[in-house]
Amino acid sequence: GAVVSQHPSRVICKSGTSVKIECRSLDFQATTMFWYRQFPKQSLMLMATSNEGSKATYEQGVEKDKFLINHASLTLSTLTVTSAHPEDSSFYICSARASGRYEQYFGPGTRLTVT
Amino acid sequence: EDQVTQSPEALRLQEGESSSLNCSYTVSGLRGLFWYRQDPGKGPEFLFTLYSAGEEKEKERLKATLTKKESFLHITAPKPEDSATYLCAVQPFLNNNAGNMLTFGGGTRLMVKP
Repeated sequence: GAVVSQHPSRVICKSGTSVKIECRSLDFQATTMFWYRQFPKQSLMLMATSNEGSKATYEQGVEKDKFLINHASLTLSTLTVTSAHPEDSSFYICSARASGRYEQYFGPGTRLTVT
Repeated sequence: EDQVTQSPEALRLQEGESSSLNCSYTVSGLRGLFWYRQDPGKGPEFLFTLYSAGEEKEKERLKATLTKKESFLHITAPKPEDSATYLCAVQPFLNNNAGNMLTFGGGTRLMVKP
């Protein structure tokens, strides 16, 4: 149990375009979902927290207009990187937490490359 | 501010050579301490949650323990397939959005040679 999927696993896009990443909890309802970014050989950096049906809470330094997060249902959250630039290239990982639980279960990650 | 420090940064073991990974933490109030395993190019895989000092959890060759200041991940007779980065994270005992957050350590990269 507690499986989280992400799609796509890899995406290459041109500078200036937008890309959407989906995060789904497959076998549980996720009241809270999280989006992280990870640079090579570094630990995870939290970007934002989203509760179903509410606006996301962004961490300091994360541009909310650039990284649009939608958590429209208890099993789906999306991250849209708008007007992507090469510096946005990174490994993006989502996680999900069920109501009444403290563990976060992570998706497999999405490798974004902006050319 | 919550802080998590993991040591060593990297650890090389021979197959069968048992060892321990350390996670030292500072948190205003601990709701939970979590251990994850991360393979290259993949998301972290949940291993254990520990809630209070003295608690221990086991899974195959791994055993996690917790004190008021640190946690250990003991690896008994490791195999090459145990090679991965092991991440430790703490969650504070806060009744607001910050109480949802995990603060991660830098991880320990474990390499087990046959």
